[in-house]
Amino acid sequence: DAGITQSPRHKVTETGTPVTLRCHQTENHRYMYWYRQDPGHGLRLIHYSYGVKDTDKGEVSDGYSVSRSKTEDFLLTLESATSSQTSVYFCAIRKNRDGYTFGSGTRLTVV
Amino acid sequence: QKEVEQNSGPLSVPEGAIASLNCTYSDRVSQSFFWYRQYSGKSPELIMSIYSNGDKEDGRFTAQLNKASQYVSLLIRDSQPSDSATYLCAVEGVIQGAQKLVFGQGTRLTINP
Repeated sequence: DAGITQSPRHKVTETGTPVTLRCHQTENHRYMYWYRQDPGHGLRLIHYSYGVKDTDKGEVSDGYSVSRSKTEDFLLTLESATSSQTSVYFCAIRKNRDGYTFGSGTRLTVV
Repeated sequence: QKEVEQNSGPLSVPEGAIASLNCTYSDRVSQSFFWYRQYSGKSPELIMSIYSNGDKEDGRFTAQLNKASQYVSLLIRDSQPSDSATYLCAVEGVIQGAQKLVFGQGTRLTINP
């Protein structure tokens, strides 16, 4: 709802495998963000995008890459998943003065 | 120093009372301030935004901003058990030309019937 969907909702993967999470928006917003949420750390910014092919790193970007080839899609890739990347991942869009809206999240477990 | 700080709680308040949640931030050029509510296993939901000094009221919720003291608060009047959740303070600033939202750790609030 709110024009933003994440997929998959849950994923279990093995250490060392690549994983891609998808964020899709239907409202043509310029800014998109990937956060991870862990107990004791709150929400931390991984990467963000301010337009097609325009992306930059957040505070916890090591081990992650992103791509945005279309306005509506923002992909987060874990190049080689590690157990420390077990987390809940949220995508967000910035809706001008209405603040940020979050997707439903992806619960990723790396075993 | 962490950019956005909240007391992690848990904060326990009796039903019908006022719940007071506090947040401080370190970046003086921060422009926009938000309060999110997050139920367990769910995504954050925006409940209040505030951009200028003073109070902003929306139903049972009041956000207060004091930029000189770098302080944001959220008051919940007539607290209900459904208000039990984690409340996240978030501060937006422009860093290297891009708008970014930084979160506090969140305060877990429990309303006791």
